[in-house]
Amino acid sequence: DQQVKQNSPSLSVQEGRISILNCDYTNSMFDYFLWYKKYPAEGPTFLISISSIKDKNEDGRFTVFLNKSAKHLSLHIVPSQPGDSAVYFCAARDTTSGTYKYIFGTGTRLKVLA
Amino acid sequence: DTEVTQTPKHLVMGMTNKKSLKCEQHMGHRAMYWYKQKAKKPPELMFVYSYEKLSINESVPSRFSPECPNSSLLNLHLHALQPEDSALYLCASSRGGQRGRNEQFFGPGTRLTVL
Repeated sequence: DQQVKQNSPSLSVQEGRISILNCDYTNSMFDYFLWYKKYPAEGPTFLISISSIKDKNEDGRFTVFLNKSAKHLSLHIVPSQPGDSAVYFCAARDTTSGTYKYIFGTGTRLKVLA
Repeated sequence: DTEVTQTPKHLVMGMTNKKSLKCEQHMGHRAMYWYKQKAKKPPELMFVYSYEKLSINESVPSRFSPECPNSSLLNLHLHALQPEDSALYLCASSRGGQRGRNEQFFGPGTRLTVL
């Protein structure tokens, strides 16, 4: 049962344009959401996060939007650069067990074309 | 220092071997994690240590044995592994505690191959 889903396994975008990566979740008890970027054979690198009490967080070229009623979040990258090409994972924090468990989505491979 | 280090980077072991993976962080984080990642799949949580106590074991087979000797170190002891255990093993840490930002910082991983 996949609680965090990224329905697009891949996305190609022209350099300079906007990249929009989407993520859906099923558990309304998740309290914190994160986006990570991953290159092959490396650990994920944290990009940006958002608390469940907010609907937007911005950091430079990266903006995360959260729609709690739709249980949907998205990551916008503007402008996209070739160095952004990587696999992007969204993750959600589940504290219902009394400790901190991060559940990852299946990932979206972003390719930014020069 | 926002780094999580993992050793070794690569490990090849036979099914009868005993080996250990090591992870270290000096950010004062009180939560540490082991994940397993197979190719083209998301990281899959194995264990969580919170304040040096094991708080989550995601029904991991006993051939994987975690250990947290102190707040900076996390080990994963391996014994009698199977070829299907071959994967990238990732360690992560986070501040711990309910409030505020709590992103995880990941190490580079150990690429494990079981022959």
